Amino acid sequence: EPEVTQTPSHQVTQMGQEVILRCVPISNHLYFYWYRQILGQKVEFLVSFYNNEISEKSEIFDDQFSVERPDGSNFTLKIRSTKLEDSAMYFCASGGLVLAEQYFGPGTRLTVT
Amino acid sequence: KQEVTQIPAALSVPEGENLVLNCSFTDSAIYNLQWFRQDPGKGLTSLLLIQSSQREQTSGRLNASLDKSSGRSTLYIAASQPGDSATYLCAVRRQETSGSRLTFGEGTQLTVNP
Repeated sequence: EPEVTQTPSHQVTQMGQEVILRCVPISNHLYFYWYRQILGQKVEFLVSFYNNEISEKSEIFDDQFSVERPDGSNFTLKIRSTKLEDSAMYFCASGGLVLAEQYFGPGTRLTVT
Repeated sequence: KQEVTQIPAALSVPEGENLVLNCSFTDSAIYNLQWFRQDPGKGLTSLLLIQSSQREQTSGRLNASLDKSSGRSTLYIAASQPGDSATYLCAVRRQETSGSRLTFGEGTQLTVNP
């Protein structure tokens, strides 16, 4: 069964460094998303991407964040200069057009020290 | 702004019991509602999706209902098993577009004791 994959599973970085989180969505899906979950808190929406552009973003998704679909299969989230409060589990999701069900990847745990 | 609340926050039951998890949302103009399962430190597994026009969906021992006008959904788990132990999340999508964000509740942490 097709699934969303994410790499790496765990990333440790120092404050101020840039990180890129990678996702491979399900191949025939058209909508792509990033969410995050800070330990012990709700899953929060960051951004959605459709037709090679951002379709919606939350107030969390500021200028430090960017997304890209560089090659038609990968979907990446870049954090330009990480802060301690960026430590969280980051989930990628993808969805089709008809039912609009979202399928989530296993997540990347980002630890900023 | 959509707010999603799940009650109870935690639930512990003996194996074999039938149980109900509750989800409420403040804005009834939703496109659909999804129930997810999350195991500790893991991703989210989609369990059931209910479109706004539907009243319920079933998958195996799981049955989810939706009362859009009152802003409520329930997830019924029949004959619970220890393997059902996980956190169950409810999430709703706004009405405007099928690609819009999911808004999540805090989850119900379920423990099924052998």
